[in-house]
Amino acid sequence: GEDVEQSLFLSVREGDSSVINCTYTDSSSTYLYWYKQEPGAGLQLLTYIFSNMDMKQDQRLTVLLNKKDKHLSLRIADTQTGDSAIYFCALRATGGFKTIFGAGTRLFVKA
Amino acid sequence: NAGVTQTPKFQVLKTGQSMTLQCAQDMNHEYMSWYRQDPGMGLRLIHYSVGAGITDQGEVPNGYNVSRSTTEDFPLRLLSAAPSQTSVYFCASSYDRGGNQPQHFGDGTRLSIL
Repeated sequence: GEDVEQSLFLSVREGDSSVINCTYTDSSSTYLYWYKQEPGAGLQLLTYIFSNMDMKQDQRLTVLLNKKDKHLSLRIADTQTGDSAIYFCALRATGGFKTIFGAGTRLFVKA
Repeated sequence: NAGVTQTPKFQVLKTGQSMTLQCAQDMNHEYMSWYRQDPGMGLRLIHYSVGAGITDQGEVPNGYNVSRSTTEDFPLRLLSAAPSQTSVYFCASSYDRGGNQPQHFGDGTRLSIL
């Protein structure tokens, strides 16, 4: 079945760049998402990328997709303390409803 | 515009009790789903609905029932609570099955089964 793997923790200093990585097994995934979860809240969609794209940039966020290696990454430039949260990688197939989530990466930002 | 509203936010149950977790959305979304979030396991789909009167099982449906009598509401019922159902439950909705339509999540219900 489909599987999405992420490292569980990442710690960075305020002002540095953060890179959160995700690997997946499902080759039919068309939509690849990054969600953010702050303490006590639900998941909020940060950005998404189609599988026919290699990169997408949205302000401080850059998503890179390596389809050959089935590797997705989220880069946050100039990381702030407000970026401390859990970040989930998620996948969805074309025309499908089911979204597969990774276990989430907890980002700690040190002042 | 409230988005997705879940109630209650916290609940403690004894083993064997039943209860209903409520979920309501005011965005006229057709698609609604229930997930559970457990440490180190991400979100797992319990049940979902593609419209009023239509529901289907997700990845981990055992021990849970759902119904969808209106577009707005999608309650999740625990029939006989077990400690393994201790988790954080999230309801989500989206406009349609298009991948560029993000799922909107509620703030979750934190459920403990003793």
